[in-house]
Amino acid sequence: GESVGLHLPTLSVQEGDNSIINCAYSNSASDYFIWYKQESGKGPQFIIDIRSNMDKRQGQRVTVLLNKTVKHLSLQIAATQPGDSAVYFCAELDDKIIFGKGTRLHILP
Amino acid sequence: ETGVTQSPTHLIKTRGQQVTLRCSSQSGHNTVSWYQQALGQGPQFIFQYYREEENGRGNFPPRFSGLQFPNYSSELNVNALELDDSALYLCASSLWHANTGELFFGEGSRLTVL
Repeated sequence: GESVGLHLPTLSVQEGDNSIINCAYSNSASDYFIWYKQESGKGPQFIIDIRSNMDKRQGQRVTVLLNKTVKHLSLQIAATQPGDSAVYFCAELDDKIIFGKGTRLHILP
Repeated sequence: ETGVTQSPTHLIKTRGQQVTLRCSSQSGHNTVSWYQQALGQGPQFIFQYYREEENGRGNFPPRFSGLQFPNYSSELNVNALELDDSALYLCASSLWHANTGELFFGEGSRLTVL
């Protein structure tokens, strides 16, 4: 079965607001997580990753938080823009990359 | 653009037929992974190729097979097609031992089985 999963299938956010996409995992031994973005008609694109020896990692307008106690990670997108509209997947590395089901982010004007 | 190209982009087959999908990896990458993505789902790992050999396989039957060539390009073959094989097939390239989860995906081949 799936070892990573997202909390919500869809999320609607006002343009300019911050977006938070959540993900839970089940394997406490998991030590490496990745977020991917998939725009319509395209393949998934790497956004950011985090290893279990960290609880926060920042990129350009994105932050990933990892809470190993409750086996939860989140992707925060600052000042959401229309180009952020996509499906977001959390994934973990377990010899191979295992993807969750995805959250579709809708940007409201 | 990732530099990973897949062909064909779309194709339609009937049950029982066979299909071959092709992938050219990004320059400098020596590892190719194939994923199946059903509508509304996340990509599911099929298998990975490194040094022309299968290295890791997901929960897919033997009628899913692959090849990797000396130039690191790859093929995915599916025999005896079933309706449930209808999906987007994604190829991703990477560098073996990169110790990273960054895969570079192509735009996929959308297969419809009638």
